[in-house]
Amino acid sequence: GAGVSQTPSNKVTEKGKYVELRCDPISGHTALYWYRQSLGQGPEFLIYFQGTGAADDSGLPNDRFFAVRPEGSVSTLKIQRTERGDSAVYLCASSWGQGDTDTQYFGPGTRLTVL
Amino acid sequence: AQSVTQLGSHVSVSEGALVLLRCNYSSSVPPYLFWYVQYPNQGLQLLLKYTTGATLVKGINGFEAEFKKSETSFHLTKPSAHMSDAAEYFCAAKPSGGSYIPTFGRGTSLIVHP
Repeated sequence: GAGVSQTPSNKVTEKGKYVELRCDPISGHTALYWYRQSLGQGPEFLIYFQGTGAADDSGLPNDRFFAVRPEGSVSTLKIQRTERGDSAVYLCASSWGQGDTDTQYFGPGTRLTVL
Repeated sequence: AQSVTQLGSHVSVSEGALVLLRCNYSSSVPPYLFWYVQYPNQGLQLLLKYTTGATLVKGINGFEAEFKKSETSFHLTKPSAHMSDAAEYFCAAKPSGGSYIPTFGRGTSLIVHP
């Protein structure tokens, strides 16, 4: 399909482990966003890429969280030393990056459970 | 800091009844406003957005929303609910003038009874 895809759809890990979450944006979209959605909450911004660079990473909660987008397409969100509080659905979105009224297209999310 | 408030975590209506989902924002400058729908195990899908111009915005699936600056509101409505409208709805606001980052409300779950 032509939408945003995220893998895996579900990830269960143990406290202290390292995890990687992948996002494949819509082809040609230069802007890519990561959000975290906890139970009963709306999406919370984590980081925004324009091309290969992180244009705004002010939403990353601490230095255990890191994201890359080396070729300006696929992005990986990396979480080190996972904690139970990291359990949430991690959403990725992409857009054309043409302006602040851009429509963001969301993927189905990765549900992360830290035991 | 900007915030978005959605009144009612759950709204229940009968099929064919009016749908009204409330959203208020707090911002000294009118932001860009969005409504998204999220079906189970799917990503958020844009229903409609307000940026500038006409304050009554029509979206997909028969939904519309009206921007009221005096009330700092952007309520979502649909004249007649369908069973297929049952989903989670999120209101979001983004500062106008260069910001790419929206702030989302907590969401309202719409329940449609036959």
